[in-house]
Amino acid sequence: DVKVTQSSRYLVKRTGEKVFLECVQDMDHENMFWYRQDPGLGLRLIYFSYDVKMKEKGDIPEGYSVSREKKERFSLILESASTNQTSMYLCASSFPRNKSYEQYFGPGTRLTVT
Amino acid sequence: AQSVTQLDSHVSVSEGTPVLLRCNYSSSYSPSLFWYVQHPNKGLQLLLKYTSAATLVKGINGFEAEFKKSETSFHLTKPSAHMSDAAEYFCVVSFSGGYQKVTFGTGTKLQVIP
Repeated sequence: DVKVTQSSRYLVKRTGEKVFLECVQDMDHENMFWYRQDPGLGLRLIYFSYDVKMKEKGDIPEGYSVSREKKERFSLILESASTNQTSMYLCASSFPRNKSYEQYFGPGTRLTVT
Repeated sequence: AQSVTQLDSHVSVSEGTPVLLRCNYSSSYSPSLFWYVQHPNKGLQLLLKYTSAATLVKGINGFEAEFKKSETSFHLTKPSAHMSDAAEYFCVVSFSGGYQKVTFGTGTKLQVIP
């Protein structure tokens, strides 16, 4: 079974802090994704990566950056956390040669910025 | 451009009665379509997927969905609701384009009344 893990289930940070969210997958997937989930808005793509050291902006990249130094690990960075970044963050991975583009999700990190 | 619309943000059914969650999509290319389920405080789990094979797709836990190209719909159904089906359901579309972009619907919360 594919396993996608996220470093924290719940996180509370203060405004202005630098925040790191870590995601690790164990299936050698090339593609990895970061989403945020907010009530009534569904999932919105922040960034994705299709290879080590490669990254592409998603629909809402402002205020975020990412790092992919190893294939299995994809980090989301909030350079200076703000209250409007309070949300559920979901990481996903997929295998690009699987043409159905099925994504496998981690359990999520619920981030609260106070 | 591709988009997906989930027509109901909330659906309430009695236990043992049929479930219908509606999804319409638009896509310039041949789409792949998915339904994911999210139980409270959990990540997303794939229920079923359509990838241009049989138009009636069977998934886990007794769910199924039918791809209707003429109606651009991919509605999710189950003959008899169970209490454990109470969750949020997301319809997702992707296409066989240059990169792996998926678009999520805004979700439908299913309430099952005993």
